[in-house]
Amino acid sequence: GNSVTQMEGPVTLSEEAFLTINCTYTATGYPSLFWYVQYPGEGLQLLLKATKADDKGSNKGFEATYRKETTSFHLEKGSVQVSDSAVYFCALSDRYNAGNNRKLIWGLGTSLAVNP
Amino acid sequence: ETGVTQSPTHLIKTRGQQVTLRCSSQSGHNTVSWYQQALGQGPQFIFQYYREEENGRGNFPPRFSGLQFPNYSSELNVNALELDDSALYLCASSSPGTGPYEQYFGPGTRLTVT
Repeated sequence: GNSVTQMEGPVTLSEEAFLTINCTYTATGYPSLFWYVQYPGEGLQLLLKATKADDKGSNKGFEATYRKETTSFHLEKGSVQVSDSAVYFCALSDRYNAGNNRKLIWGLGTSLAVNP
Repeated sequence: ETGVTQSPTHLIKTRGQQVTLRCSSQSGHNTVSWYQQALGQGPQFIFQYYREEENGRGNFPPRFSGLQFPNYSSELNVNALELDDSALYLCASSSPGTGPYEQYFGPGTRLTVT
């Protein structure tokens, strides 16, 4: 079945460092790909998305490119801030029946801590 | 635009009891999905409701059941609670008409079973 694999954390960076969180997927067809962020004590927030190969999703300085040839959707940010400390989840949208109904399949999450 | 809300925020139950969690979907969304997120894990899909009917289910036993109401709000019911049911329960609303089928999440209900 379809699956998502994320790099294990925790990741600890200093403020203004470059961030990469790796995400690879296994899927049949052409899923949509997402990064969600979960701040301490809060629910999940959609960070960015991409719907087809070579699409680049971006938001709040974060970027990820849908790479079909490497089945990857790595999250990057050029200069992290303390406020970026959170858990980041990579997910894909998986069709589970003949209709247009989909569920999200998730990676295990990568915890990021940014120190001042 | 009102976001997804869930109640209660926290809940403590004893093994064997029953629990009902509630979710109000985002305005304009007619589909609600429920996920279980154990500590340190990614969310696991429980089931989805569309127009008051269950239209998909993950690998959860029948003691996990749900409802969706005409206003698209939803309930998750868990019978015969087990210690392993302790988790954050997340509700997400969406609209099948959305191209990439984004899901918008509520803050979750933290269930502790003792």
